[in-house]
Amino acid sequence: GAGVSQTPSNKVTEKGKYVELRCDPISGHTALYWYRQSLGQGPEFLIYFQGTGAADDSGLPNDRFFAVRPEGSVSTLKIQRTERGDSAVYLCASSKRRDSGELFFGEGSRLTVL
Amino acid sequence: KQEVTQIPAALSVPEGENLVLNCSFTDSAIYNLQWFRQDPGKGLTSLLLIQSSQREQTSGRLNASLDKSSGRSTLYIAASQPGDSATYLCAVWNSGNTPLVFGKGTRLSVIA
Repeated sequence: GAGVSQTPSNKVTEKGKYVELRCDPISGHTALYWYRQSLGQGPEFLIYFQGTGAADDSGLPNDRFFAVRPEGSVSTLKIQRTERGDSAVYLCASSKRRDSGELFFGEGSRLTVL
Repeated sequence: KQEVTQIPAALSVPEGENLVLNCSFTDSAIYNLQWFRQDPGKGLTSLLLIQSSQREQTSGRLNASLDKSSGRSTLYIAASQPGDSATYLCAVWNSGNTPLVFGKGTRLSVIA
């Protein structure tokens, strides 16, 4: 595609529910990143994929968060037993490869946990 | 652990002014530095990427400089316009496998 696509753009859910957020990177980009941005803050790193494997998941806050990229393209961020503190904008980015440097971001998925 | 600081947090200027946004980082062993723009409720748009071996990059009215030894970068915006109003984020990538680390951004308002 022309850019990084994220769905849904907005998600409102109740505390304790399960949520999936999807990211479709730029075609041909092998590196994919998930970030989380709270109001008034810069994005914070969650997880990075090189191809199908999670090369670095050190930013995932706890075991309720999980992400997959089974075919090396689309990625899904999964959040179990959501809490109000999970409310944020979840941003996905891709780059041609790990060392190409320049990241291209999607519009983000705004998650609100009531 | 890399930390990125952006000063000021917010800035309001009249249209036509030249302005400078500042970014500092604690670990100078960076691979590159990237400046982004973020409009309210939107994602990040890449503005300029400076490799560690470079001193500056220019795109239109934007000029970004990098001084690795002092851990600083500046984004210079010439002849500011109301359409430049947005939050500007600085991010650095350390050598190795560490992820891109962001500052909190500078919220710019250009008043017509």
